[in-house]
Amino acid sequence: EAGVTQFPSHSVIEKGQTVTLRCDPISGHDNLYWYRRVMGKEIKFLLHFVKESKQDESGMPNNRFLAERTGGTYSTLKVQPAELEDSGVYFCASSHMTSPNTGELFFGEGSRLTVL
Amino acid sequence: RKEVEQDPGPFNVPEGATVAFNCTYSNSASQSFFWYRQDCRKEPKLLMSVYSSGNEDGRFTAQLNRASQYISLLIRDSKLSDSATYLCVVSLLDTGRRALTFGSGTRLQVQP
Repeated sequence: EAGVTQFPSHSVIEKGQTVTLRCDPISGHDNLYWYRRVMGKEIKFLLHFVKESKQDESGMPNNRFLAERTGGTYSTLKVQPAELEDSGVYFCASSHMTSPNTGELFFGEGSRLTVL
Repeated sequence: RKEVEQDPGPFNVPEGATVAFNCTYSNSASQSFFWYRQDCRKEPKLLMSVYSSGNEDGRFTAQLNRASQYISLLIRDSKLSDSATYLCVVSLLDTGRRALTFGSGTRLQVQP
């Protein structure tokens, strides 16, 4: 079974540009999460989808970040315009609907974003 | 104050040693507790859940003290392959919010 896949693995852009990160969760996982880790800090929650609906977006830092999950399958996270402080690793994770509270999230390898 | 506090380490130990990591969390409403493991430049992976009664999985023992808001992980007979960052993770599990809150991790380096 394929795991959570993320694309691109690394993106280098200039301040003010736009970047779109993509996540393909494990097939059949209704829960999809975005997290990020900025340099030297802990992994922080951004938002949570249940199927195509945003369940919790309390972690989104500001309106330059837009996440979508059309059709409840893959998800995209767009940063527009990117700022220097957006640099970090963006992780996507997914889980079964029946096991979101067990703590077993399956993470992708992350998309490393570098904003120059 | 961070929601989940961990000693960043690194902990450098010889093979075969026993090592213990601790973690404290600030929100007394936290309901679920976990240890995740993250290898260098890889994704976090669930190592084990943590229960109040304490639980063991092979060489790994996890303990939770709700009164002190303290979580521990004990690794016995350390192997080179145990070298990684260990992330203490809690979850509030209140209505609709199932997000995990991560500590910044404790780095373990097991040396031959």
